[in-house]
Amino acid sequence: DTAVSQTPKYLVTQMGNDKSIKCEQNLGHDTMYWYKQDSKKFLKIMFSYNNKELIINETVPNRFSPKSPDKAHLNLHINSLELGDSAVYFCASSPYSNEQFFGPGTRLTVL
Amino acid sequence: AQTVTQSQPEMSVQEAETVTLSCTYDTSESDYYLFWYKQPPSRQMILVIRQEAYKQQNATENRFSVNFQKAAKSFSLKISDSQLGDAAMYFCAYTLSQGGSEKLVFGKGTKLTVNP
Repeated sequence: DTAVSQTPKYLVTQMGNDKSIKCEQNLGHDTMYWYKQDSKKFLKIMFSYNNKELIINETVPNRFSPKSPDKAHLNLHINSLELGDSAVYFCASSPYSNEQFFGPGTRLTVL
Repeated sequence: AQTVTQSQPEMSVQEAETVTLSCTYDTSESDYYLFWYKQPPSRQMILVIRQEAYKQQNATENRFSVNFQKAAKSFSLKISDSQLGDAAMYFCAYTLSQGGSEKLVFGKGTKLTVNP
C-alpha cells in the first residue's frame, strides 16, 4: 500500500550514460514533483506536473527530461550523466492542500 | 528572494528534554503553508507538522509544536520529551505558488542529535 514509490532506490552508473528513474503514486493526487537533494542535503525543486502537464521547470539542464504518461506516474530521464548529477532524487505528490508526500528517494551515483 | 533560513546547522538534546529548532523565511505572499519535515538516516522525508499562515493558532502534533510569528516570519519547532528516534535532519519549508502549482522552498536543515 505504498503511497509514493520510486524505482530504483539506488543507481550507480558511468559518466555519459543515460538513465531513468520511475515514480508512481496511488494517492489520486493531480500534482507530482521531482526534487534534487545534493551532497550537503539541500533540497531543491526541479519540476512539477499537474495532471500530466508541466507547470514548473526550475532552470534544470535540458539533459533532464520529465515524462508523465498519466497523472499517477512521473518519470525522470537523464541524458549524458555528469559527475555533478550525483544526488538523491525525490519524487513527491500533492493534493489541493499543499502538503507534499515524498517517495523514498533514489540515490544516483555517477562514476 | 524567496528563502528559508535555518540558523542552526546542528543541535543536540538530552533524551526526555526539550529542544527548539529555529526557522525564518522570506515571502511576499500573504497566504501560504509552512512545514517541518524530518529526514532520518533512512532518507525518507516525513512530515512532522504543518501550519497554515492564515491561522493564528500554533499547530501541535503530540510532542511537536510550533511557534509561528507571521509578522516576524518565524516558524520554530519545539520537540518536547525528546526520544532517541527523533534524531534526524529537520527541514523547514514553505509553499510558494508558481504557475498554478505550489513548490516547497526548503531551508538547509538542522541535524538533531539525541543523547541518551
